[in-house]
Amino acid sequence: SQQGEEDPQALSIQEGENATMNCSYKTSINNLQWYRQNSGRGLVHLILIRSNEREKHSGRLRVTLDTSKKSSSLLITASRAADTASYFCATDRYNQGGKLIFGQGTELSVKP
Amino acid sequence: EAQVTQNPRYLITVTGKKLTVTCSQNMNHEYMSWYRQDPGLGLRQIYYSMNVEVTDKGDVPEGYKVSRKEKRNFPLILESPSPNQTSLYFCASKTGEGGYTFGSGTRLTVV
Repeated sequence: SQQGEEDPQALSIQEGENATMNCSYKTSINNLQWYRQNSGRGLVHLILIRSNEREKHSGRLRVTLDTSKKSSSLLITASRAADTASYFCATDRYNQGGKLIFGQGTELSVKP
Repeated sequence: EAQVTQNPRYLITVTGKKLTVTCSQNMNHEYMSWYRQDPGLGLRQIYYSMNVEVTDKGDVPEGYKVSRKEKRNFPLILESPSPNQTSLYFCASKTGEGGYTFGSGTRLTVV
């Protein structure tokens, strides 16, 4: 079963705006990861945040993790048309042998 | 370049004809995994391998086999493909930091 649930399912913004995507999960985790997928292509790892971390940055990406609420958010600042893609959160759960459980994803469209 | 290589990228086959999708990684990763991606169902793990000769079932293993005879290769075998195995397949290997590197995908159609 899919643990992560992203919100919103789809998001359309203008270039230069910020995009925020949220992810909720149900069980305890080792870490939470965000991936990007361009249409029909492979997934690209963006960022990993461990269960003892609250916030992490990578370039224009900012990820937060609230383990008490079992939720995470991905913020993309100053978005570009090239950021148009699907974004997935994935959780690495305790005692699951390293298996990643993926959410259904958020489709982001950035209009020039 | 560090990468996971899957072949073929596209495959159309007929029901019952055995096929193998190859996966190779050049990063010396121990953990490798196969996922399938279907509309409305997302990505689901088929099989994984924690090291050479160590494989285990994921969430949707029925109709698939894998082998891990050497660290770099992790082929996915469909002994008797059926139309419900039409899907987009991804191989991935796990880095030391915990993130996954994915292959480019194999789009399989079984008619």
